[in-house]
Amino acid sequence: EVQLVESGGGSIQAGGSLRLSCAASGFTVSSNFMSWVRQAPGEGLECVSVLDVDGTTHYADSVKGRFTISRDNSQNTIYLQMNSLRVEDTAVYYCARDFSWRQFDIWGQGTLVTVSS
Amino acid sequence: QSALTQPASVSGSPGQSITISCTGTSSDVGGYNYVSWYQQHPGKAPKLVIYDVINRPSGVSNRFSGSKSDNTASLTISWLQAEDEADYYCVSFTRSNPLDVVFGGGTKLTVL
Repeated sequence: EVQLVESGGGSIQAGGSLRLSCAASGFTVSSNFMSWVRQAPGEGLECVSVLDVDGTTHYADSVKGRFTISRDNSQNTIYLQMNSLRVEDTAVYYCARDFSWRQFDIWGQGTLVTVSS
Repeated sequence: QSALTQPASVSGSPGQSITISCTGTSSDVGGYNYVSWYQQHPGKAPKLVIYDVINRPSGVSNRFSGSKSDNTASLTISWLQAEDEADYYCVSFTRSNPLDVVFGGGTKLTVL
């Protein structure tokens, strides 16, 4: 079965760090563009990071310099290292497969990150 | 990311049709045929229902259809059913930001 499963969310104080994981099955992450998309409570969707097939990384201005996307091919998993967390980073974080020109066909179930002041 | 413009809410009765618009610019919606639509039920992950403006993924009902005119894309749901009540988001490829993607703000569909 093709799926993504996120983990690593939780509650943390502002300034802290978390690492989110997204384990893929049924396909190979290194052969696909992969993204992290977040959704603040009651808000819309926001893409925060993209990892290209060639390893190039992209970030939203709101997280640049604080978040790092990476992958472990041996584990078929992508990660989002989140440092210097802010209250406004509170959201459900989804990983998603970009199958074609920033169109996302597979989504994980999401993992909640809560940052308190 | 500058958001694509969607109506905050739309509603319709079972059996009716509704259309949700998604307005962007020539740098996103109008410049590429890479517009996708997602359905999101409360507490659930988004689900792809339309890609490449007009295409439906396997398993998505043919009651869902997409179109585009100039800088505005549209999602039409025909023969509304109670299960269609959800939030809907449009997304477009763009070269206007580092992530090459822009999202709509979302539309809440209520089935009366």
